[in-house]
Amino acid sequence: QVQLQESGPGLVKPSETLSLTCTVSDGSMSSWSYYWGWLRQPPGKGLEWIGSMYYTGSTYYNPSLKSRVTVSLDTSRNQCSLKLTSVTAADTAIYYCARRLINSKYFDLWGQGALVTVSS
Amino acid sequence: QSALTQPASVSGSPGQSITISCTGTTSDIGASNYVAWYQQLPAQAPKLLIFDVNDRPSGVSNRFSGSKSGNTASLTISGLQAEDEADYFCSSYTSNSPLYVFGSGTKVTVL
Repeated sequence: QVQLQESGPGLVKPSETLSLTCTVSDGSMSSWSYYWGWLRQPPGKGLEWIGSMYYTGSTYYNPSLKSRVTVSLDTSRNQCSLKLTSVTAADTAIYYCARRLINSKYFDLWGQGALVTVSS
Repeated sequence: QSALTQPASVSGSPGQSITISCTGTTSDIGASNYVAWYQQLPAQAPKLLIFDVNDRPSGVSNRFSGSKSGNTASLTISGLQAEDEADYFCSSYTSNSPLYVFGSGTKVTVL
């Protein structure tokens, strides 16, 4: 069964860059069938879509985060990465990696999530 | 504040049916046939339950069903079971930014 696993530092200082990696357990990241992306959930709040990427390099970002976000794929390593610059306490959240089938509008597979706290 | 409004909690006894509402606007749920529901069991990854308003992925029990009326989508769980205790959240695709909006989640308790 395919699994997604997020990894990265659990604590980031204000103004620094948050970096997370999502590893897919099979080779599907280079498949034309899927988009790969990130979502987050601040404590006590709802989910927020951050952005998605297709293996061709096409990216789609939430306008509210677009100036600070980069999503990238390394298909040779089956990894999807997230970088969020100039973080503040408002970026404290559980960050999820998720997969979306092409031509669908839902996320059919999610990772367990990684808690990132922004604090000095 | 989440884009979609869900009740914080819903409870029911085993065997009962419960319904979770998800209210949006004419820009998201009201304009979209792309409503999805997800279940998140404690300490587990979210799992897709319903997509495109009322379709179920393979392997999801038919006790879960979805519907939509106007700006409100609903998830109904029939024959409530102890294993259904989880957080449930809705999502809608919107042609406007930011493309995907979510509810804040509803905690289901089986009494």
